[in-house]
Amino acid sequence: NAGVTQTPKFRVLKTGQSMTLLCAQDMNHEYMYWYRQDPGMGLRLIHYSVGEGTTAKGEVPDGYNVSRLKKQNFLLGLESAAPSQTSVYFCASSLRTSGSTYNEQFFGPGTRLTVL
Amino acid sequence: DQQVKQNSPSLSVQEGRISILNCDYTNSMFDYFLWYKKYPAEGPTFLISISSIKDKNEDGRFTVFLNKSAKHLSLHIVPSQPGDSAVYFCAASKKTGANNLFFGTGTRLTVIP
Repeated sequence: NAGVTQTPKFRVLKTGQSMTLLCAQDMNHEYMYWYRQDPGMGLRLIHYSVGEGTTAKGEVPDGYNVSRLKKQNFLLGLESAAPSQTSVYFCASSLRTSGSTYNEQFFGPGTRLTVL
Repeated sequence: DQQVKQNSPSLSVQEGRISILNCDYTNSMFDYFLWYKKYPAEGPTFLISISSIKDKNEDGRFTVFLNKSAKHLSLHIVPSQPGDSAVYFCAASKKTGANNLFFGTGTRLTVIP
């Protein structure tokens, strides 16, 4: 199993350009997440999805859109990139919460995005 | 507003000694706590967790302690090994919702051989 994979690994954009980050998981997880990590800030949740066709906002959703057309894929889009979106982006997935059992999140290797 | 805080950005420990990483939280609704380990250029990997109904959970060299009244948890690594050198993130979650995690800012542990 590849686990959680992210494409691309690195990208440089100019202000105003758009792009889509792809996350794929092969663990049949229901939940998927997008985080960003900035220096001194830890990881912050951008958007998440509890199943195919459903998405919801996290802590820092502004400037991003997401789509979950297939269970195994979760796309993060930047319509008009800004320098403030320079960050490392991590995708994660987990099994559905069941009763009192908490299922940990599995993370991808990250995408380093620079917006000039 | 940072709901999960790790006040020590870095920690250095001699190989074989104990490493103690600390974490504080402000939201009393958190009921599950996790520690993740992160190496450079990799994603975080799950290390150990604890439910709010417990005060200790142990897994090999790693033990997490939870003090709910103080809203404080700590990760103990005994004995510390050079391969433990990484950034450690504390994270917390509420029972409701989609397992959303709130992360601390991380502590960089360096184990000196």
